[in-house]
Amino acid sequence: AQTVTQSQPEMSVQEAETVTLSCTYDTSESNYYLFWYKQPPSRQMILVIRQEAYKQQNATENRFSVNFQKAAKSFSLKISDSQLGDTAMYFCAFMKQSGAGKSTFGDGTTLTVKP
Amino acid sequence: DTGVSQDPRHKITKRGQNVTFRCDPISEHNRLYWYRQTLGQGPEFLTYFQNEAQLEKSRLLSDRFSAERPKGSFSTLEIQRTEQGDSAMYLCASSLVGSSSHEQYFGPGTRLTVT
Repeated sequence: AQTVTQSQPEMSVQEAETVTLSCTYDTSESNYYLFWYKQPPSRQMILVIRQEAYKQQNATENRFSVNFQKAAKSFSLKISDSQLGDTAMYFCAFMKQSGAGKSTFGDGTTLTVKP
Repeated sequence: DTGVSQDPRHKITKRGQNVTFRCDPISEHNRLYWYRQTLGQGPEFLTYFQNEAQLEKSRLLSDRFSAERPKGSFSTLEIQRTEQGDSAMYLCASSLVGSSSHEQYFGPGTRLTVT
């Protein structure tokens, strides 16, 4: 079974600064996908960024980037130029390539961006 | 594309009553997932369908829970003889088999409170 651990229950950052959210996972699978999802207060979860395990290059999406360390089973999310709208709960998720799409989630990190 | 919708958004029920939730996925998506999210935790997988077939159920899904997707479109999740421990957010997600992004699209959830 896979496990996903987010060791930072809460974080805060000043607007326009950079913040990094941590995620580690445990699996015996070789082929898998990793995701960061954002869940704003009282709103639905949306995908922020994804990474295929077979790709060495770290994924980037505008202000969001990841640091994927496969050997260390680490998958951190960096948010640059933080904006007030980034305030949300962030979940790291793991999906086996052969797993029919079901995901295993961490317990989340609540990020607050302060003006 | 109107996104994934869930109904109702909130449900308060007394212990012992039965409740039913509905999920309407994105129309062309053939996979549909149910997750449960309790306060302070990440979503936990309950079950998933590919078209109308229920292909996997988590051990979390006790005999009091049943899910259907009769025509491969919308799905219902029924909880019989509700218990206080069933209080949670029930999330529905959908995806398209073969999609290169492997992204799951989440609905807004149904928040269940059992009194």
